[in-house]
Amino acid sequence: ETGVTQTPRHLVMGMTNKKSLKCEQHLGHNAMYWYKQSAKKPLELMFVYNFKEQTENNSVPSRFSPECPNSSHLFLHLHTLQPEDSALYLCASSQDGSSYNEQFFGPGTRLTVL
Amino acid sequence: AQSVTQLDSQVPVFEEAPVELRCNYSSSVSVYLFWYVQYPNQGLQLLLKYLSGSTLVKGINGFEAEFNKSQTSFHLRKPSVHISDTAEYFCAVSDPRGGSQGNLIFGKGTKLSVKP
Repeated sequence: ETGVTQTPRHLVMGMTNKKSLKCEQHLGHNAMYWYKQSAKKPLELMFVYNFKEQTENNSVPSRFSPECPNSSHLFLHLHTLQPEDSALYLCASSQDGSSYNEQFFGPGTRLTVL
Repeated sequence: AQSVTQLDSQVPVFEEAPVELRCNYSSSVSVYLFWYVQYPNQGLQLLLKYLSGSTLVKGINGFEAEFNKSQTSFHLRKPSVHISDTAEYFCAVSDPRGGSQGNLIFGKGTKLSVKP
C-alpha cells in the first residue's frame, strides 16, 4: 500500500451504533488530520495530530473521538451519531504541522447515519 | 481569520477550450495559497501552491495560477482542458504564522465539467 489509505470506504450505521474509521499513512509523515466533507459546504477540519499529540479540536461534538496510537495510524471513533453527521470523512497527512506543507489525502469514508 | 470564496460552484467547458477557476481570499496578514483537485471517488490532490516569490505558479497537469495581492485573488487557469480534467477544484489558504492559524481553510469548491 502507498500513500494514505482509509477503511472502510463506505459505512452505514444507526444512531445507536458504535463504529470506528481507520486511516493509515505510508509516507513517513508526522502530522495527521480528520476532515468532514459535506455537500455544498467547505471542507471542515475536525482534528489535527502532530507527532502523536492532538493540536486541534475544531469544536467537534464529543460523539466523535479521535485516537492516534502512532504517527502512521489515526482512528475516528463514532458513537450515537445524528443523521446530519452523514458525510465523507477524509483523512490526510503531512510531513509535519507546518502551514506550508502539502497535505496528502486518503479516498475517504462515505458515512451514512440512519 | 482567513476566508476563501470560490464564486463559481460549477463551470462547464468544452474540451480543448481554456478555463479559469476563480478564487478570492480575505486575510489581514500574508497567506499561503493552494489549489487542490478531487477526482470522483478520490481524496484531494495538490495541484500547486504559492508560498512566496514569483506570482505565477505552475502546477501539475498543465495548470497554473497567479497570485494577485492587490485583488486578493489566486485564480487557476489551463489553456486547453481535457475530459480527464473533470473534477472538483478547491482553493485553500493558510497562515504562515502556523499553529492553529496555520491550518488549511478551504473554499466550497468549483466543479469543472469538460464536455466533448
